[in-house]
Amino acid sequence: SQQGEEDPQALSIQEGENATMNCSYKTSINNLQWYRQNSGRGLVHLILIRSNEREKHSGRLRVTLDTSKKSSSLLITASRAADTASYFCATEIQGAQKLVFGQGTRLTINP
Amino acid sequence: DAMVIQNPRYQVTQFGKPVTLSCSQTLNHNVMYWYQQKSSQAPKLLFHYYDKDFNNEADTPDNFQSRRPNTSFCFLDIRSPGLGDAAMYLCATSRGRQGAIGEQYFGPGTRLTVT
Repeated sequence: SQQGEEDPQALSIQEGENATMNCSYKTSINNLQWYRQNSGRGLVHLILIRSNEREKHSGRLRVTLDTSKKSSSLLITASRAADTASYFCATEIQGAQKLVFGQGTRLTINP
Repeated sequence: DAMVIQNPRYQVTQFGKPVTLSCSQTLNHNVMYWYQQKSSQAPKLLFHYYDKDFNNEADTPDNFQSRRPNTSFCFLDIRSPGLGDAAMYLCATSRGRQGAIGEQYFGPGTRLTVT
């Protein structure tokens, strides 16, 4: 079964608004990562949060991790048209030496 | 700049005709991955090399094979492509230490079309 599940599958907001995406997972992890993918391109790493961390910031990005609920959220503040992309969470499962990706959230920022 | 390079960016092959996709990296990372991604889906891991150790995913078809002749290069061979193998193929690298891998760096992908 899918390790990472994301919610919502699609999100459309106006430029300047905040966007929140959620990710849930099932097993113990070393870390959880968020990636962005523009249409037809490779994935770009955004942020990594370790299992012993609860919150992390990078520019307009804020990531939280709740290991008791096995969930994470990605908040993009003051969204811009250039933020339009698909966003994937990925978990590094303990001992697995690989990432397991969620199904992704397709984010559309309307000007 | 250090990067992950994939060639070609677009590949068209005929049904059943073997095809090889290539990936090279200048990051000197010891772990390399191949993913298959179909439209609007998550990347699906096919296999990865941790140093020279090859790790095949249980559900990767036998039709897919890989070679890593040195640290910098990794190849994906599709022996007899079917229409269902049309997809974007992504190569990624990471620095593995003590069994953990950290963040991955992706190439731009090769879009494979099977006619």
